[in-house]
Amino acid sequence: QVQLQESGPGLVKPSGTLSLTCAVSDGSVSSAYWWSWVRQSPGKGLEWIGEIYYRGSIYYNPSLRSRLTISVDKSNNQFSLRLTSVTAADTALYYCARVNRKGYFYYGMDVWGQGTMVTVSS
Amino acid sequence: SYALTQPPSVSVSPGQTASITCSGDKLGNKNACWYQQKPGQSPVLVIYQNSERPSGIPERFSGSNSGNTATLTISGTQAMDEADYYCQAWDSSTAYYVFGTGTKVTVL
Repeated sequence: QVQLQESGPGLVKPSGTLSLTCAVSDGSVSSAYWWSWVRQSPGKGLEWIGEIYYRGSIYYNPSLRSRLTISVDKSNNQFSLRLTSVTAADTALYYCARVNRKGYFYYGMDVWGQGTMVTVSS
Repeated sequence: SYALTQPPSVSVSPGQTASITCSGDKLGNKNACWYQQKPGQSPVLVIYQNSERPSGIPERFSGSNSGNTATLTISGTQAMDEADYYCQAWDSSTAYYVFGTGTKVTVL
């Protein structure tokens, strides 16, 4: 069963850049799945951030698009998130997830990482 | 922007049926998923394509979706089912995912 593991700094300064990586193991980032980032602010619900397909197709949450970059690194079997100009509102538990989607058919986010907490504070 | 609304909380006695609703404009035209999240854990997919159960999810979890409402039903609820539940839809025209507001299920 494929496993996902998030990594990155747990503390980012306001106006700085948040960078996270999701390592894919027991599977390939180049397989026929999309790869997403989802976050959860403390005590709050889930918010979709964006997703990428290994061939380069990318979709972003419109509310974050201007600050967001998602990329894939096929050689290292991982994908990444970069969020600029962060504020306290970006403090959250960040998850990576595998998305099972084929054309117009959506089968859910079926594998999730354990999540990594990022705090935006000076 | 598209929004999905769930009741904040649902209480159920052990062995009884819990129903969680998820409301959104023309939600029945989209594929709905449901996730279970226990404290300190990552979400787990329990229903996809409105009513399908992933491998390993107990049969007591079922789903439906019609009109503006999707429903997750837990039959014969067990103490282990106490968790937060989130619905989710994918808009194929914009490739945008929306999560519901979440429902805390308490097994009394």
